[in-house]
Amino acid sequence: EPEVTQTPSHQVTQMGQEVILRCVPISNHLYFYWYRQILGQKVEFLVSFYNNEISEKSEIFDDQFSVERPDGSNFTLKIRSTKLEDSAMYFCASRGQPVDPMNTEAFFGQGTRLTVV
Amino acid sequence: LAKTTQPISMDSYEGQEVNITCSHNNIATNDYITWYQQFPSQGPRFIIQGYKTKVTNEVASLFIPADRKSSTLSLPRVSLSDTAVYYCLVGAGGGNKLTFGTGTQLKVEL
Repeated sequence: EPEVTQTPSHQVTQMGQEVILRCVPISNHLYFYWYRQILGQKVEFLVSFYNNEISEKSEIFDDQFSVERPDGSNFTLKIRSTKLEDSAMYFCASRGQPVDPMNTEAFFGQGTRLTVV
Repeated sequence: LAKTTQPISMDSYEGQEVNITCSHNNIATNDYITWYQQFPSQGPRFIIQGYKTKVTNEVASLFIPADRKSSTLSLPRVSLSDTAVYYCLVGAGGGNKLTFGTGTQLKVEL
């Protein structure tokens, strides 16, 4: 079964450092997302990406965050200057071109646990 | 997006059927109802989706009454491995974002 893969599984970084979280979505998918989940809290939407541009972003996704699809296969999330409160699980997700236009099935990766110290 | 309300937690025993109900009073005409499952330290996983009446797949059934203001996820004969958080999501499909609520923590015991 195709899957979304994320690397690294765990990243520890010092406050103020830049981090790049990497994702390889399912190859024929068109819609890409980043979500985060702070420990013990709900899954929060960060950003969606379609046709090589951001289609929607949340209030969390401020100027410290950026996304890129540099080579047609990888999808990255960059945090420019990490803060303690950025510590969370970050999930990448992708969706294909639905045969049924209302199909909402998204495939999530296993996540990257980011710890900012 | 329609707001959803579901129980914070439920307990069950192995072999029992579990029904988790979700309220979505403000569901829109073009909204679908989707359920996801999440194990600790893993990404959410799609379980089932429906628009009205009943949908069944190999892992669950989804019951949606005619007014669509609620839905019930039914898990037949649960096992310990079904212990997870279950999320009810309501919204339009396509490439739109998913909005997760707090979910229902299901705990299955022997």
